[in-house]
Amino acid sequence: AQSVTQPDIHITVSEGASLELRCNYSYGATPYLFWYVQSPGQGLQLLLKYFSGDTLVQGIKGFEAEFKRSQSSFNLRKPSVHWSDAAEYFCAVGSFNFGNEKLTFGTGTRLTIIP
Amino acid sequence: NAGVTQTPKFQVLKTGQSMTLQCAQDMNHEYMSWYRQDPGMGLRLIHYSVGAGITDQGEVPNGYNVSRSTTEDFPLRLLSAAPSQTSVYFCASSERASGAYNEQFFGPGTRLTVL
Repeated sequence: AQSVTQPDIHITVSEGASLELRCNYSYGATPYLFWYVQSPGQGLQLLLKYFSGDTLVQGIKGFEAEFKRSQSSFNLRKPSVHWSDAAEYFCAVGSFNFGNEKLTFGTGTRLTIIP
Repeated sequence: NAGVTQTPKFQVLKTGQSMTLQCAQDMNHEYMSWYRQDPGMGLRLIHYSVGAGITDQGEVPNGYNVSRSTTEDFPLRLLSAAPSQTSVYFCASSERASGAYNEQFFGPGTRLTVL
C-alpha cells in the first residue's frame, strides 16, 4: 500500500530565509508525487507534481521539489520565503491505474513565518 | 466556471441525525472524490467515483454513503451522525485518463460538528 510521511509537524522560519519541507513516500512502482498548499480556511491548491523525467520540478509561487528515488524522498524547497507562504503543506502520492485512482496524503507540515 | 462547489460551509448536527453534504463541479470531470481532514491525520479518502453510476470505497468509508447519478454532482450522506464524524470534508474532481494524472481540484470544504 502506498503511504507518505511528513516528519515535521510544524516549522517556523524567518521571512527571507530558505525553506525545505521533507516528504518520504512508500510506493511499489514509479510514483506520481505532489505537493499541495492549504491556506487557512481554504481548500487545497496544487503547487507542483512529478511523474517522470527531470527530478527537479518547478512549481508555482517560486517553489521547487526534488525527487530522489534512492532516498524515497520528494522534498519541497523555496530559496526565500514570504509572509504569504504561511500555510499548511501536504505531500501526496498517487496511484493512477485505470479504475483504481487514489491519492494518499501525508499528515501535513504547518509553516509559520516570523518577521 | 465556478469550479468545485460545496454546501453547506458549516453544519452542526446532533448524534443520530442524518444529512447530505453537497458537491458539484462544472468542469465535466469524470473523477470525483470525498476526503475528510482531521488534525494530525492529513486528508483521508472516504469514497470516490470514476464516472456517473460508478462509486467505490476509499480508506475510511464506514458511516458514509455516496451515489453518482450525474457527472456534475457527488453528494455524501451521513445516515446516523456520530461525534467521530466531526471533521472538515473536502470534495475534489479531475479529468480521468488511463495511466496519466490530471490535477485534482478541491472545493472550499464543509466544516461539520457532531454533538
